[in-house]
Amino acid sequence: EDQVTQSPEALRLQEGESSSLNCSYTVSGLRGLFWYRQDPGKGPEFLFTLYSAGEEKEKERLKATLTKKESFLHITAPKPEDSATYLCAVRTGSQGGSEKLVFGKGMKLTVNP
Amino acid sequence: DGGITQSPKYLFRKEGQNVTLSCEQNLNHDAMYWYRQDPGQGLRLIYYSQIVNDFQKGDIAEGYSVSREKKESFPLTVTSAQKNPTAFYLCASSVRHSGAQPQHFGDGTRLSIL
Repeated sequence: EDQVTQSPEALRLQEGESSSLNCSYTVSGLRGLFWYRQDPGKGPEFLFTLYSAGEEKEKERLKATLTKKESFLHITAPKPEDSATYLCAVRTGSQGGSEKLVFGKGMKLTVNP
Repeated sequence: DGGITQSPKYLFRKEGQNVTLSCEQNLNHDAMYWYRQDPGQGLRLIYYSQIVNDFQKGDIAEGYSVSREKKESFPLTVTSAQKNPTAFYLCASSVRHSGAQPQHFGDGTRLSIL
């Protein structure tokens, strides 16, 4: 069964305290890994797509990396406005077959000033 | 600006009532999706549509129905057969279903039982 596990479930940081969020997965036929940010009462906002092991993407204070079994979302010198729930999702399946997006449960980040 | 519009933002359902959630996109995307989000759980797929006049069941389709008569629109009906409808419903779209195209989301509809 395809599974995506995010850890920790919640994380509190002080402003400027860098950390990493983990997304581990066991899926058949990885076709892409996605990171989203979700604010309370809003829909997920797309951040990154990673396609293959070794790939990295950056956006402001966020950097996403991918290995064969997991992805990390590194947050450097976070600010209070980075507080949100971060979702990881993995695209599985074979082209023309039953492709689907499997989501983790999310990780709630709180950055205190 | 291009995007996905969901309405209403809040919806209340009486017992035995069917309710319809609206989803409209102006991104010219072929594929559209409906997810359900419950506290402490990952998003779960209800239905998806790869193209107009076509749709497939997701993991939790029981008690729901959809239609795709126009490329821009993918309404979701929560029927009285859905016994636990209270949740946050999210609509998404992507350029196409196959391949690693990111899905883009609307801002959701929160459905509650009266």
